[in-house]
Amino acid sequence: DTAVSQTPKYLVTQMGNDKSIKCEQNLGHDTMYWYKQDSKKFLKIMFSYNNKELIINETVPNRFSPKSPDKAHLNLHINSLELGDSAVYFCASSQASGMSTDTQYFGPGTRLTVL
Amino acid sequence: QQQVKQSPQSLIVQKGGISIINCAYENTAFDYFPWYQQFPGKGPALLIAIRPDVSEKKEGRFTISFNKSAKQFSLHIMDSQPGDSATYFCAVNTNAGKSTFGDGTTLTVKP
Repeated sequence: DTAVSQTPKYLVTQMGNDKSIKCEQNLGHDTMYWYKQDSKKFLKIMFSYNNKELIINETVPNRFSPKSPDKAHLNLHINSLELGDSAVYFCASSQASGMSTDTQYFGPGTRLTVL
Repeated sequence: QQQVKQSPQSLIVQKGGISIINCAYENTAFDYFPWYQQFPGKGPALLIAIRPDVSEKKEGRFTISFNKSAKQFSLHIMDSQPGDSATYFCAVNTNAGKSTFGDGTTLTVKP
């Protein structure tokens, strides 16, 4: 059983389109994250949700909107896609929020290519 | 301001050798220091982590050395194997659970 799953694995789209990436975790964790990994492999946190509540919102364009319908799911919707949005997006989850020692479990990533 | 600086960017080691990756951080508020391993096409996975009240932690061939006064910590991979070839990230965690990652080190272990 996959602990943290993401769909789709690959996403190729045109500039200006709107797209969504879905994430689900079956670990029973309370906290979920979205990270962006660029072509140089830099990994940067975008958002964090705890029990459907937004707790971390880094400096991310408001074209990116996370949505958490329940604590097992965290989706990422991106409006008006730009070339610079091309990256690998990782979803992750951890047991709790506010604990530095919590292990984050990452999904397999979604490679987004904007043409 | 980059909160954690990782070096080297890439590293080539012969099989059986020791791989050493270093990280330095700025903010003394960090209180947990994990290392992640990422294979191509996969997500990062926790490898080993250390608290700041400990100077060294060893798990198998992997050791973290931590120098609190210098605000530096390093990952040592003993008897490096080709299967260790991956990208390694250090991270610094706040007590609010936020992780900031280093820029990554691509390790290649030659047979």
